[in-house]
Amino acid sequence: GAGVSQSPSNKVTEKGKDVELRCDPISGHTALYWYRQSLGQGLEFLIYFQGNSAPDKSGLPSDRFSAERTGGSVSTLTIQRTQQEDSAVYLCASSFAILGDNEQFFGPGTRLTVL
Amino acid sequence: RKEVEQDPGPFNVPEGATVAFNCTYSNSASQSFFWYRQDCRKEPKLLMSVYSSGNEDGRFTAQLNRASQYISLLIRDSKLSDSATYLCVVNMNRDDKIIFGKGTRLHILP
Repeated sequence: GAGVSQSPSNKVTEKGKDVELRCDPISGHTALYWYRQSLGQGLEFLIYFQGNSAPDKSGLPSDRFSAERTGGSVSTLTIQRTQQEDSAVYLCASSFAILGDNEQFFGPGTRLTVL
Repeated sequence: RKEVEQDPGPFNVPEGATVAFNCTYSNSASQSFFWYRQDCRKEPKLLMSVYSSGNEDGRFTAQLNRASQYISLLIRDSKLSDSATYLCVVNMNRDDKIIFGKGTRLHILP
């Protein structure tokens, strides 16, 4: 079956522009996660959704970052007024449920470069 | 103490050797633990879950030590294809927070 997909795969933008990243989770997965990974670094947790609800937004780096999920499916991560330090690979993952022993399936990521 | 901590490595190990690395976690109430594998410029993929009783999958053995708050991953008869970064993942069970360690880099040498 189809895995987690993300678009675009690569995004180059100028400092100060807004960008929108999209994640299509595996059908039927109620939990969706966003992470950020800078070059050679570990995964930085940003936000997760249980259904359409995001109980914990504390991982978002600043108020320029926002995310939403509609219909319990597609999620978008929006970065406003991008800065060079926002350059990273943004990974989305989904799992059947948030609790317990649920494997997270990752998408291929969106590589964001802010010039 | 960091929430999830791993030795970043790299561990340079000859092919066929046994290698083990640990991951410590700070929240004693954590309930779920996993090892993920990430190849260079690829997304992470689940390697194995870590159960209280420990579990084994072929050449890989994962164990949980609740008293000392760490999990371990042991790889026997290492293969060149085992070269990757191994990420420790802990579900903190506090606000359902899931924390990834920064990973341990493993290089298997021919």
